[in-house]
Amino acid sequence: GQQVMQIPQYQHVQEGEDFTTYCNSSTTLSNIQWYKQRPGGHPVFLIQLVKSGEVKKQKRLTFQFGEAKKNSSLHITATQTTDVGTYFCAGNFGNEKLTFGTGTRLTIIP
Amino acid sequence: DTGVSQNPRHKITKRGQNVTFRCDPISEHNRLYWYRQTLGQGPEFLTYFQNEAQLEKSRLLSDRFSAERPKGSFSTLEIQRTEQGDSAMYLCASSSRRAGPNTGELFFGEGSRLTVL
Repeated sequence: GQQVMQIPQYQHVQEGEDFTTYCNSSTTLSNIQWYKQRPGGHPVFLIQLVKSGEVKKQKRLTFQFGEAKKNSSLHITATQTTDVGTYFCAGNFGNEKLTFGTGTRLTIIP
Repeated sequence: DTGVSQNPRHKITKRGQNVTFRCDPISEHNRLYWYRQTLGQGPEFLTYFQNEAQLEKSRLLSDRFSAERPKGSFSTLEIQRTEQGDSAMYLCASSSRRAGPNTGELFFGEGSRLTVL
């Protein structure tokens, strides 16, 4: 089936350290999106990647889409307490629904 | 507020009762999605509307679940004969994408949390 796997499930980092979460699909993705969900909140769109090998940056966040369009990563440089939350990748497989990964929950140790 | 609105925000019900959730998408968004999220998991796709037409339903959506979007604006999700396993957050999202595959950016509501006792 069309599934999106995400690792790690949890990540605890000291404030100021970097953080990376990885997303993998067994089949080629049409595009991939990333969302952030704060504790008690709802998913909020961060970015969409469409092209093979695409890299996009948003301030301290760097998003990559693999050459084969089967994997993606989100890297946060120098984490801050405001980065706390769960980060989800979500893949489009060329149909009209978005398939979410299991998420990586980021906690920051001040 | 022009975001996606969902109500009720919380619903506690006894097993066997029926519940209905309402979603008001961002105006002029013609695509509307329902997702279900349980603790520690990512949102799971339930169903999707393009205007008033329900175009796809997940196998997760048993015959106890029904969704409507009668005039292509707001949508309702009804669960009949609720079971404890239905306890979850029910999220609604809308998208401005008008044609073609792929969803475009999804704008989520705050969700409706269901607890079945």
